[in-house]
Amino acid sequence: QSVLTQPPSVSGAPGQRVTISCTGSSSNIGAGYDVHWYQQLPGTAPKLLIYGNSNRPSGVPDRFSGSKSGTSASLAITGLQAEDEADYSCQSYDSSLSWVFGGGTKLTVL
Amino acid sequence: QLQLQESGPGLVKPSETLSLTCTVSGGSISSSSFYWGWIRQPPGKGLEWIGSIYYSGSTYYNPSLKSRVTISVDTSKNQFSLKLSSVTAADTAVYYCARQDTGANCYSDWGQGTLVTVSS
Repeated sequence: QSVLTQPPSVSGAPGQRVTISCTGSSSNIGAGYDVHWYQQLPGTAPKLLIYGNSNRPSGVPDRFSGSKSGTSASLAITGLQAEDEADYSCQSYDSSLSWVFGGGTKLTVL
Repeated sequence: QLQLQESGPGLVKPSETLSLTCTVSGGSISSSSFYWGWIRQPPGKGLEWIGSIYYSGSTYYNPSLKSRVTISVDTSKNQFSLKLSSVTAADTAVYYCARQDTGANCYSDWGQGTLVTVSS
């Protein structure tokens, strides 16, 4: 069981907006540690999508955005495209002295 | 462009030691701006941080794996390595090496990953 909790799956039609939640606790997200998001296309390595809660690396479309509040964080994807179908994982730091990941969320584009 | 490449046996017997090496190209492992880490992903499951190392040799391990993990760095070869002892079937996973930015603390670059199966 992952320290950060994500929904196993979400779905949306092309053009729609979807959000993926990442729920932690007072020892990680709630303690003020940053949240990062990764996109993992089928059979490939994770790719950094959002860092520092809401920042996009160069080359990541502005359709992707991140936010953080309290003990949770969210990834939003607007204008959903077929190429967005992938697994998405959140990451933060826990005061147990460990970097922690969410269990991952599979996004299906209908 | 930075590239990371994992190498090592794809099959390890139970109770033995898993050994992997990550070769870094297109950048120096001796940069003070990065940690170098190992992350794994069991089949169909989420990512798990194993540990990280700084070019100076300082190491940071997942407390749940600490007793079995050793990460080392060879700056002359631009490589860092992972050893995981006393493996069981639960250690079967895709193992990734990655570069972690010391400022943002995110993993900005990843290797392609290598599947290690623990089986007799």
